[in-house]
Amino acid sequence: GQNIDQPTEMTATEGAIVQINCTYQTSGFNGLFWYQQHAGEAPTFLSYNVLDGLEEKGRFSSFLSRSKGYSYLLLKELQMKDSASYLCAVRDRRELSFGAGTTVTVRA
Amino acid sequence: GAVVSQHPSWVICKSGTSVKIECRSLDFQATTMFWYRQFPKQSLMLMATSNEGSKATYEQGVEKDKFLINHASLTLSTLTVTSAHPEDSSFYICSARGTSGGSSSYEQYFGPGTRLTVT
Repeated sequence: GQNIDQPTEMTATEGAIVQINCTYQTSGFNGLFWYQQHAGEAPTFLSYNVLDGLEEKGRFSSFLSRSKGYSYLLLKELQMKDSASYLCAVRDRRELSFGAGTTVTVRA
Repeated sequence: GAVVSQHPSWVICKSGTSVKIECRSLDFQATTMFWYRQFPKQSLMLMATSNEGSKATYEQGVEKDKFLINHASLTLSTLTVTSAHPEDSSFYICSARGTSGGSSSYEQYFGPGTRLTVT
C-alpha cells in the first residue's frame, strides 16, 4: 500500500496563491492524482502526473518528483468557490489510494 | 469527461435491513469499478475492486459477506449492504475506470456518492 501525507488544513485570502504539498511512499508507482471534494459531494478530478515536472491547467498546477516521492498542487488567484478539500491520490499497480485530504478555506 | 451515476443519492434504512446501491458508467465501458467508503472528515477508503464478470477483490478488514458486490456488465456495478447497522452509516462512493485509450484508461471517474444512514 501507500503512505500518503498532506497537511490537514490551510487558509488563504481570496486572490492569493496556495501550495498543497503531498509526500508518498509506494511500491510500483503508476501515477499521482489530485482531486477536489466539496463537503457532501464526490471527488472531482483536477490533475494527473506520471512523469516528473509541472502540469499546468488554468489556475491549477501540479508538480511531481518521483525520486523524492513528492508532489504539490498550486492554486492561483484563489476564489471563494475554491474552498474545499483537496485529495492527493497515488496509484500503484493495482489501486488508487487517497491521502486524508487538505481542507482549504478561502477568506475574503 | 465521462459520467458515473449512483442511485440512490441518499437512503435511510432500519437496522437489520439490506440496502442496494447502483453505480453506472453512462458514456463509457468500465472494466473496473471501485467502491469507497468515507466517514466524516476522513479520506476515501477503498472497500473493494470489481472487474466485470469476476468476483470482487476486497480490502483487508472489509467483510465480503456483508458488502456484496456484483459487476454484471461493463456499465453497472452494485453494492449491497446486508443486515445494516448504525456503524455502516457512511458516504459510499463508486468509481469507474475505462477500457482502453484516451483519458479514461488511466483516470478514475467518481459517482456522486450515496449517503447511507442506518437507524
